[in-house]
Amino acid sequence: AQKVTQAQTEISVVEKEDVTLDCVYETRDTTYYLFWYKQPPSGELVFLIRRNSFDEQNEISGRYSWNFQKSTSSFNFTITASQVVDSAVYFCALRRGQGGSEKLVFGKGTKLTVNP
Amino acid sequence: EPEVTQTPSHQVTQMGQEVILRCVPISNHLYFYWYRQILGQKVEFLVSFYNNEISEKSEIFDDQFSVERPDGSNFTLKIRSTKLEDSAMYFCASLPTKDGTEAFFGQGTRLTVV
Repeated sequence: AQKVTQAQTEISVVEKEDVTLDCVYETRDTTYYLFWYKQPPSGELVFLIRRNSFDEQNEISGRYSWNFQKSTSSFNFTITASQVVDSAVYFCALRRGQGGSEKLVFGKGTKLTVNP
Repeated sequence: EPEVTQTPSHQVTQMGQEVILRCVPISNHLYFYWYRQILGQKVEFLVSFYNNEISEKSEIFDDQFSVERPDGSNFTLKIRSTKLEDSAMYFCASLPTKDGTEAFFGQGTRLTVV
């Protein structure tokens, strides 16, 4: 069975602080994909990143960075110099690799509040 | 940029009534999905649809739910007899292929059953 755990339910920081959102996953598959989505107060789901299980390179996109570690089954997300506009619920998700179900299994989400 | 469009954005319905949620996926996409998010909770998979038939469904997707693609562009989710617990945000998503590309989500329909 596939499972995603986001242990941090809510995080509150002050603007310009760095913040890391944790994601731990469980799967028996050797091929899988990991995702992060942002859900702002308006409610839509905004895709942030996809990572496949063969690619453990960390990725940086502006103030966002992701740390994928297969050894600990973690795919953590760091926002550097947070801004008020980063306030949202962030979801980590997992899906099976080729030949498997393409449904996304989501974690419960982490609500990030960035205060001015 | 192509996007998935859902209508209506918000629907209020009486318990026991039928509702149809509509989605227009991205035009060259082949795989279609419905997900549900009860307020404050995680996003849950309902059903996937490919080649005009259901390819997978969750245990949530019971006999009161149905999906269809009536005209090659719209993708609909019907709830036959709504219950209070059906109140949620419903997201439609589509994929061009099964190769791991990220799912493109619509903006969601908030369904409120009263």
